[in-house]
Amino acid sequence: EPEVTQTPSHQVTQMGQEVILRCVPISNHLYFYWYRQILGQKVEFLVSFYNNEISEKSEIFDDQFSVERPDGSNFTLKIRSTKLEDSAMYFCASSEGGTNLYNEQFFGPGTRLTVL
Amino acid sequence: AQKVTQAQTEISVVEKEDVTLDCVYETRDTTYYLFWYKQPPSGELVFLIRRNSFDEQNEISGRYSWNFQKSTSSFNFTITASQVVDSAVYFCALSEAAYSGAGSYQLTFGKGTKLSVIP
Repeated sequence: EPEVTQTPSHQVTQMGQEVILRCVPISNHLYFYWYRQILGQKVEFLVSFYNNEISEKSEIFDDQFSVERPDGSNFTLKIRSTKLEDSAMYFCASSEGGTNLYNEQFFGPGTRLTVL
Repeated sequence: AQKVTQAQTEISVVEKEDVTLDCVYETRDTTYYLFWYKQPPSGELVFLIRRNSFDEQNEISGRYSWNFQKSTSSFNFTITASQVVDSAVYFCALSEAAYSGAGSYQLTFGKGTKLSVIP
């Protein structure tokens, strides 16, 4: 069964460093998402991406964040200068898309980011 | 703005007991989707169910059942004869279906209910 994969599973970085979190969505999916979950809290939407551009973004997704689909398979989230409060689990999700029928989002296993 | 409230932060039950997890939502849209996800201790998010706002029929899947009531804006989840493997955090989520950004639908999650099933 196709699944969303994410690498690495755990990333430790120093405050101020740049990190790139990688995701491989399900191959025929067209919509891609990033969510984050601070430890013990709810899952929060960051950004959605379609047709090589951002569709929607939340207030959390400020200028320190960027997303990219550098090739036909990877979908990345970059944090330019990490802060302590960026420590969280980051989930990638993808969905088939379509405007008349909602397609469920399939989540990856997450990348735990720890900023020291 | 959409909002999901899961008032129960933590619930503990003894194995084989039934348990209901509450979910109350707010939305201004007439078309929307509701979801439940399970997050076991390993951390991944496991999709359980999706309902659209036009389908109020209750659903049963094995030991799981869902009660959707638009009149009270609730989408409650019941586990019958709970098992230790049901121990997890359960999230209720909402997505408004208003067309935005070429069909992307962001999910708004509740804070989750941590269920502990004691053997």
